Amino acid sequence: EVHLLESGGGLVQPGGSLRLSCVASGFNFNSYAMSWVRQAPGQGLEWVSAVSGGAGTTYYIDSVKGRFTISRDNSKNTLYLQMNGLRAEDTAIYYCAKDRSGASCYDYWGQGTLVTVSS
Amino acid sequence: SYVLTQPPSVSVAPGQTARITCGGNNIGSKSVHWYQQKPGQAPVLVVYDDSDRPSGIPERFSGSNSGNTATLTISRVEAGDEADYYCQVWGSSSDHLTAVFGGGTQLTIL
Repeated sequence: EVHLLESGGGLVQPGGSLRLSCVASGFNFNSYAMSWVRQAPGQGLEWVSAVSGGAGTTYYIDSVKGRFTISRDNSKNTLYLQMNGLRAEDTAIYYCAKDRSGASCYDYWGQGTLVTVSS
Repeated sequence: SYVLTQPPSVSVAPGQTARITCGGNNIGSKSVHWYQQKPGQAPVLVVYDDSDRPSGIPERFSGSNSGNTATLTISRVEAGDEADYYCQVWGSSSDHLTAVFGGGTQLTIL
């Protein structure tokens, strides 16, 4: 059974940093691209970043480029999101999501971790 | 950047058919995916590649995509279908690829 477990969220001041982690199990982790998707309180889904299975290719939404870095450690079945220069508008639940093989969509999601940026 | 437009809300009586649209420029040339999200829960993929269903998703859920509009159709709607629904594609922004979600549609069962 596929399982994704995020951690690392919390309260941080504007300009601060956090590193989110997502531990995966139940599938061959290094064979699948992975993504981070966020959801601000009461708002819709917003894709943030993605990384290929081999970690050679990364993608970002414009609003986080230069501030966030996605990475993965395939030996630990773990996906990361390093978030620097956090802003109030980054406040959201952050989900990690597994790409479905052969389709550009997400067939498994974690339960999310809440990031709150506030002074 | 590529924009997907969904109606904020759709209401339907139990047993009837709900249709949720997702508009985008020439969206018919893209693969469209749909997610269901219930309050306090993570999203669930219900339709991918316009009209395919993941295992475990009832046949009542179907999709279509042509021209500038994709549609998620839920037949014989049940109370348990009440949720927010999001469409998603991969599009381009500036010079790079990004995933894009629609703004979401709240489905209310009357």
